[in-house]
Amino acid sequence: QSTVSQPPSASGTPGQRVSISCSGDSSNIGDNYVYWYQQLPGTAPKLLIYKNNQRPSGVPDRFSGSKSGTSASLAISGLRSEDEGDYYCVTRVNTLYGLRFGGGTKLTVL
Amino acid sequence: EVQVLESGGGLVRPGGSLRLSCAVSGFAFDSHAINWVRQAPGKGLEWVSLIRIDSITYYADSVKGRFTISRDSSKNTVYLQMNNLRVEDTAFYYCARDQSRYGEEALDYWGLGTLVTVSS
Repeated sequence: QSTVSQPPSASGTPGQRVSISCSGDSSNIGDNYVYWYQQLPGTAPKLLIYKNNQRPSGVPDRFSGSKSGTSASLAISGLRSEDEGDYYCVTRVNTLYGLRFGGGTKLTVL
Repeated sequence: EVQVLESGGGLVRPGGSLRLSCAVSGFAFDSHAINWVRQAPGKGLEWVSLIRIDSITYYADSVKGRFTISRDSSKNTVYLQMNNLRVEDTAFYYCARDQSRYGEEALDYWGLGTLVTVSS
């Protein structure tokens, strides 16, 4: 089973920089783009990063993505209380169609 | 403005059926693949199904053989027919537009979701 792993939780104080990691293997992250989604409480997921490090229009540059080998990370700088929510990394799996979601990371702004 | 609107959720008994609809507007329907993604209450996101612009379809193993996705270009609508429902299918079901024609890019617009509850 090709899995994508994220830490279940992360936290930071307002203004701080926080990083959320995402780990996979050569069949998923290692050979495919990574996407990041933000899900604020009670809302639908929102695309935050596509193609490893690209931001859709309207997403603040406080959010940035990177990928190296079989791992990826999402960085949030200038943390704000409204950033509190769940963050999912997503990728594809070679030889399979569809998307593989990480388990999600719950971000708490202290 | 791109809009995605799911409907058709509700309460159904185990073994029952339900059809979800996803009505879209604000973009060229025939230029984008459409996905269904679900989220059990308090749990993470799970990809369910994809339909490409050529109507080729794909399913997660957990729903293969029970769910059928289809699209109607005359109504700009995608459907998810769910048969032989199980308790573990209980979830919010989200419809999401793929950036590409063939389901190879990000899901850039999502609906608000519709809740499916499978319970006796």
